[in-house]
Amino acid sequence: DAGVIQSPRHEVTEMGQEVTLRCKPISGHNSLFWYRQTMMRGLELLIYFNNNVPIDDSGMPEDRFSAKMPNASFSTLKIQPSEPRDSAVYFCASSLSNLGTQYFGPGTRLLVL
Amino acid sequence: GNSVTQMEGPVTLSEEAFLTINCTYTATGYPSLFWYVQYPGEGLQLLLKATKADDKGSNKGFEATYRKETTSFHLEKGSVQVSDSAVYFCALSDQAGNQFYFGTGTSLTVIP
Repeated sequence: DAGVIQSPRHEVTEMGQEVTLRCKPISGHNSLFWYRQTMMRGLELLIYFNNNVPIDDSGMPEDRFSAKMPNASFSTLKIQPSEPRDSAVYFCASSLSNLGTQYFGPGTRLLVL
Repeated sequence: GNSVTQMEGPVTLSEEAFLTINCTYTATGYPSLFWYVQYPGEGLQLLLKATKADDKGSNKGFEATYRKETTSFHLEKGSVQVSDSAVYFCALSDQAGNQFYFGTGTSLTVIP
């Protein structure tokens, strides 16, 4: 079975550019989570969706970050404009509601110069 | 509110040593508890889980018991291997399985 798919796996961009990260959850899962991981702050939950609806976006750092889930099989996390401090590994995870186990994608390593 | 506290790292052990990584939690109701492992350059993977008090989760020689009386879920392995070197995260989900809380992670290095 295919796991959570993220693209791109690596992204290098310049400050001020728009960055879009993509995620395809496991088929049948109805919860999707976006995380950011850095050495300084560890693993941070940015936002999560249940049945394509954003439930909690309190972890989104600021207005430069936005996330969408137009359908059950696709989500995007957009940063516009990007800044060097956004450099991190961004993980997407999905789960079946009420079972709790999250399955993580391989992550997108973002470097903003 | 719900939270997870795990022991600070890094932890360095010799091969075949006994491993304990402490994890305690604060939660309302009856959460599920998890240990995830992250190998270098990879995403987190579920290692084991327990969904009710006194349950023992186990996988790959690792074990953890859900202790409601001490609100703990300590990870143990009797004999670690070099391949166990990774970062280990304790986590809990609320009763509905929709809110998830991760600990800060404990880095383990096993030396030959």
